[in-house]
Amino acid sequence: GQNIDQPTEMTATEGAIVQINCTYQTSGFNGLFWYQQHAGEAPTFLSYNVLDGLEEKGRFSSFLSRSKGYSYLLLKELQMKDSASYLCAVLDSNYQLIWGAGTKLIIKP
Amino acid sequence: IAGITQAPTSQILAAGRRMTLRCTQDMRHNAMYWYRQDLGLGLRLIHYSNTAGTTGKGEVPDGYSVSRANTDDFPLTLASAVPSQTSVYFCASSPNGQETQYFGPGTRLLVL
Repeated sequence: GQNIDQPTEMTATEGAIVQINCTYQTSGFNGLFWYQQHAGEAPTFLSYNVLDGLEEKGRFSSFLSRSKGYSYLLLKELQMKDSASYLCAVLDSNYQLIWGAGTKLIIKP
Repeated sequence: IAGITQAPTSQILAAGRRMTLRCTQDMRHNAMYWYRQDLGLGLRLIHYSNTAGTTGKGEVPDGYSVSRANTDDFPLTLASAVPSQTSVYFCASSPNGQETQYFGPGTRLLVL
């Protein structure tokens, strides 16, 4: 079966750095997405990786290793507004997105 | 304003009633999707449409139906609602089914 694993919840301090991991086992791979979802709102796109390596976008970076079935989202200089759930999703061989359950990130002052 | 709209924002529905959730996008995207999101679970695909006139079943299609008469609209119908269909429903679209998906604001449905 297809499976995406990410931690249920993480806590970090304002101004610090946090890494959210995602491991996947899917039928085929056509890219990996990270989305941010604030409570009561819709998911919004953060990043996309299809090749191995690091993609940097401001305070957020995303890394992919296809051979290990592994990705992480790195958030730097954490701000209170970064408190949200972070969703990992893989585009499988049928071009369907398979979603992880999400990681709830709590930022403390 | 370009994007995806959903209606209603929220709804309380008696079990056994029929309900249609509406979704409209003005980005001229070919692909559209309906997901449900339940606490502790990832987004689960209900139905999708790769282009106007075609639809397909996702992971959890039972009890739901969709139609895609034109590019912009993708309504989701619950023929006879049951309490297990209590959820938050998101509509999404992407240009051609292989790119980033953009989400509507969601419909919160409570079936009693």
